[in-house]
Amino acid sequence: SSELTQDPAVSVALGQTVRITCQGDSLRSYYASWYQQKPGQAPVLVIYGKNNRPSGIPDRFSGSSSGNTASLTITGAQAEDEADYYCNSRDSSGNHRGVFGGGTKLTVL
Amino acid sequence: EVQLVESGGGLIQPGGSLRLSCAASGFTVSSNYMSWVRQAPGKGLEWVSVIYSGGSTYYADSVKGRFTISRDNSKNTLYLQMNSLRAEDTAVYYCARFRLQLWLRSGWFDPWGQGTLVTVSS
Repeated sequence: SSELTQDPAVSVALGQTVRITCQGDSLRSYYASWYQQKPGQAPVLVIYGKNNRPSGIPDRFSGSSSGNTASLTITGAQAEDEADYYCNSRDSSGNHRGVFGGGTKLTVL
Repeated sequence: EVQLVESGGGLIQPGGSLRLSCAASGFTVSSNYMSWVRQAPGKGLEWVSVIYSGGSTYYADSVKGRFTISRDNSKNTLYLQMNSLRAEDTAVYYCARFRLQLWLRSGWFDPWGQGTLVTVSS
C-alpha cells in the first residue's frame, strides 16, 4: 500500500507533550519525514531519518518509529507549534514515488 | 543561502498548458534530486514528481502522461510542464529539494519554495 494515515486533528495543553502518529506499510522499511505547515506558508522540515532535526528546529521535536507507525512527539508544546503536520515516506512498492499522510491539525490550548 | 523560488502560476482554462519554473540558489539543481509537491485549496500535500540527478523522472498516477519535470542546468532551474490541465489540478505547487539516503532508509524534502498558485477554471 502507498497510503499513510494520520489523525485529522489533535489538541494539547500548553506546555504538555503530544504525539502525532502516521501509519502505513511503507514505514516498515523506510523512515518517515515530518513537516510543519502554518497557514499561508510553505511546509518546513522538522524531523527526518531515524530522529534527526534540521538546524533551527527546537529540540522539543523528536521522532520515533515502530513497525508500521511513525510518531512525531512535541515535548512541552508551545503556542507557536500550532500548525498542520504531515508525514512523508517513499512508496514501498519500488516505483520511486513519494507519499504524504493526510495531515494532522495540532491545536495548542 | 539555500533557496527556491517558484514562478509561472496563474489562471488557465481546462485543457490548457502551463509551465512552472523553480529557480534555485545556494546549491546546484543538476547535482540533486528535485521534486514538485502540490496542495489543493484546503487540502493536504500531494507528491507530484521527482527528477533524479542522473535524469530519471517519476510521476504520480494523477499526472502521468500530462506533466513533465525537467531542468535547465545552465539556469540552475527546475521546471514542470503541465498539459491537458483539469480543474482538479488547481493547487499551490511547491518545488523542493529531495534528499535520499537509501542506506539510512531515509528521504526528506528540504528546502521548499514559497509555492505558486495554479487555478484551472473556465
